[in-house]
Amino acid sequence: DGGITQSPKYLFRKEGQNVTLSCEQNLNHDAMYWYRQDPGQGLRLIYYSQIVNDFQKGDIAEGYSVSREKKESFPLTVTSAQKNPTAFYLCASRSPGELFFGEGSRLTVL
Amino acid sequence: GQQLNQSPQSMFIQEGEDVSMNCTSSSIFNTWLWYKQDPGEGPVLLIALYKAGELTSNGRLTAQFGITRKDSFLNISASIPSDVGIYFCAGLRSGAGSYQLTFGKGTKLSVIP
Repeated sequence: DGGITQSPKYLFRKEGQNVTLSCEQNLNHDAMYWYRQDPGQGLRLIYYSQIVNDFQKGDIAEGYSVSREKKESFPLTVTSAQKNPTAFYLCASRSPGELFFGEGSRLTVL
Repeated sequence: GQQLNQSPQSMFIQEGEDVSMNCTSSSIFNTWLWYKQDPGEGPVLLIALYKAGELTSNGRLTAQFGITRKDSFLNISASIPSDVGIYFCAGLRSGAGSYQLTFGKGTKLSVIP
């Protein structure tokens, strides 16, 4: 099936630890995105990538890092520098006229 | 970043009733997208609109791309319990190789059986 796969769906982390969220797509899309979703705040853009080996900061990039070594993959690392990392994270990929989301990863920092 | 004005924020309706929600912006968009999100899941694309004035249906859902290109609405007819969720809009502006996506904050729909 074509689509976007995020893993893990649930993740618990201790304070001070880095964690990496996986995002894989088989839609052959060039552009990929990471969003953070908090209750009442809508979607906020963390990082995006228009093409392999290139990515740009979004509105809330501090404390996060990404890589785009392959077209299919756009992993997000939540570093210990992120002050409030507990959230629901959504990966998306875009065709010229549509944006498709993965199922999301919920990160909880204990 | 910028966000779209989406209303209402929430609504409670009786099963069988029709529902209407809309998004407005001060900016023009090339494309309007409507999504539904269930709790703990990723948003699912319901309808995509590409042309000013376009009216598109997907089952009981109908959406329109406003003539001014600054607004869009989504209607759900004869609501059923599984329509419960959060619906949100997205505007896509593209040109000269750049793309800008802007989202509404969502409309939370509750359906009373």
